[in-house]
Parts: sequence; structure tokens; C-alpha cells
Amino acid sequence: DGGITQSPKYLFRKEGQNVTLSCEQNLNHDAMYWYRQDPGQGLRLIYYSQIVNDFQKGDIAEGYSVSREKKESFPLTVTSAQKNPTAFYLCATRDIYEQYFGPGTRLTVT
Amino acid sequence: QQQVKQSPQSLIVQKGGISIINCAYENTAFDYFPWYQQFPGKGPALLIAIRPDVSEKKEGRFTISFNKSAKQFSLHIMDSQPGDSATYFCAASNRASYGKLTFGQGTILTVHP
Repeated sequence: DGGITQSPKYLFRKEGQNVTLSCEQNLNHDAMYWYRQDPGQGLRLIYYSQIVNDFQKGDIAEGYSVSREKKESFPLTVTSAQKNPTAFYLCATRDIYEQYFGPGTRLTVT
Repeated sequence: QQQVKQSPQSLIVQKGGISIINCAYENTAFDYFPWYQQFPGKGPALLIAIRPDVSEKKEGRFTISFNKSAKQFSLHIMDSQPGDSATYFCAASNRASYGKLTFGQGTILTVHP
């Protein structure tokens, strides 16, 4: 975990509502990433950002949006367009090669 | 071509034994191969990583073996302990692709006392 904070740890929402997951870091890393993890599966990349005010879609960006207004923050919004939003969401930062992960947010949508 | 295939899906080892997890990749542009350890409900923690210019890297009880020609790499856990019981993920990235990691499916390791 180190200097990466994700909040809240657990999040519950009703279907049709947008929800924003927080990711904050104090590692002074430029690059930040959002991954999604489903039971029994590896991590899949949602969005990534190399610098402030710039971000790119990953492999499964549909139904998600992000912003990168500050170096320290990379919030992820799960929109109502995401068909299966219940999952474990992980934020990461990168220092040269090494990626470091936050503690994750478990989102449950009913 | 971006896939990383990991095996086995699950592994049971006795305390003191050797745990071996294997990964294979197709994309020859990959130039960084980390292994992550994840406990239930936690984020993955970087365990050990290797670059393709070396064939082996050892850190304590953990060793990565890398075979560039076969496009395979493996994690060996020596003297496995019950505390090593976790899910292990291999991954690969290409620095030219902004360090995006491609993950294997994961291996659930159980070490019996």
C-alpha cells in the first residue's frame, strides 16, 4: 500500500447511480492506473494517466470515466452505463518500471 | 499477443516444500516481468521482478527464472511457509507502452503446516 490511499474500502450503490472511487498518492509518481479485479481472474486495465491533465483508455474503459487534475489524485467514476460494475477496484502508481497498488475498493451494485 | 498465461490455477504444497508457478507470454516486446503477491481483500504487493537481460533473480526464498527463447518465466518459492499462502500473479509490460501491465490469471497457493 505505501503512500497510496483508496477510499472507501467498501462501497454499496443502487443500480443506475454513478459512483466515484477515490485514489490519492504521496509518492510523487507521475503515472497512475486503475484496474478491475473479478473473482478468479487477473487484473484488467481500465484507464491510465502518465501526467496531469492527460489520460488514456485501457482494455475495459467502457462505462468508466476518470480525471487527472492533480498529480496526487486520479478518481474513477463508475457510470450507470457499466453493465457489470460489482468488482474489486485497484489503483496503482508507477516508478520507472515498478507498479505499486493501493488497498482497493470493493464496489457492490444491487 | 498481449496475453500472459499462468499455471497452475491452484497449488497445494507442504511446509518446507518448493512452490513453482509458471507463466508464458507471446509479445516479444515485453521487457519487464514482475510477480505480485495478494492476500484476500488486499491490494497486490510487488514481490520480485526481472528484466530479460538476466536469466535468474533471487531475493530471499523467492527466485524468478527467465527463459527468453521459450518466452517463459517462473516463480520458485523455496522452503514454503503457511504465511506464503496467497494468490500470486505474474505480469508483463513494455516500457514503450507506458508501463501498462498485462496480468496472468493468478495462482492460489496453499501451504499446509
